[in-house]
Amino acid sequence: QKEVEQNSGPLSVPEGAIASLNCTYSDRGSQSFFWYRQYSGKSPELIMSIYSNGDKEDGRFTAQLNKASQYVSLLIRDSQPSDSATYLCAVNEANFGNEKLTFGTGTRLTIIP
Amino acid sequence: DGGITQSPKYLFRKEGQNVTLSCEQNLNHDAMYWYRQDPGQGLRLIYYSQIVNDFQKGDIAEGYSVSREKKESFPLTVTSAQKNPTAFYLCASSILGTGEQYFGPGTRLTVT
Repeated sequence: QKEVEQNSGPLSVPEGAIASLNCTYSDRGSQSFFWYRQYSGKSPELIMSIYSNGDKEDGRFTAQLNKASQYVSLLIRDSQPSDSATYLCAVNEANFGNEKLTFGTGTRLTIIP
Repeated sequence: DGGITQSPKYLFRKEGQNVTLSCEQNLNHDAMYWYRQDPGQGLRLIYYSQIVNDFQKGDIAEGYSVSREKKESFPLTVTSAQKNPTAFYLCASSILGTGEQYFGPGTRLTVT
């Protein structure tokens, strides 16, 4: 069973600080990695995709991937109260042409004003 | 507007009844997916389809059925055989090769 692990939190971060969310995965052959944001009662929203080792920046968000350590992280700079949500890590399995995502259980982030 | 629609937003049914949840997309995406989310838990894959008239079971397919007669539509039927059907049901779609899945707003099903 392929697994994606996240610390469930809650993670509390002061407004303006950097929030760091972490995720590990078990399938060494995974090639694509995603971060979703889910507000309470709403559906997940894709916020970052990363495919290569290293960092990928998009505005206040930076995704970091280390395939050797099977680790992917999301940094949120200058955290805002609107960033308070559950963040889901997802890893793409692409076996024999079947593409599907395995999701972690999510980390609940609270930004404290 | 392009997007994924799910209807209804809230659905209430009595135990023993089958119920069908709608999912439609006008993004011209090839693949469509159904997930279930229970409180405080991650998403679990029920069924997925990468091409019309073909679909595969996910991790928790028992008690569910799907069809994919049109590229735009992927309805999910929750049958009376599903032991704990009360949950938040999410439909997603993607362009094959990207892995990026985009979600509809979800249907919250309550069975009593």
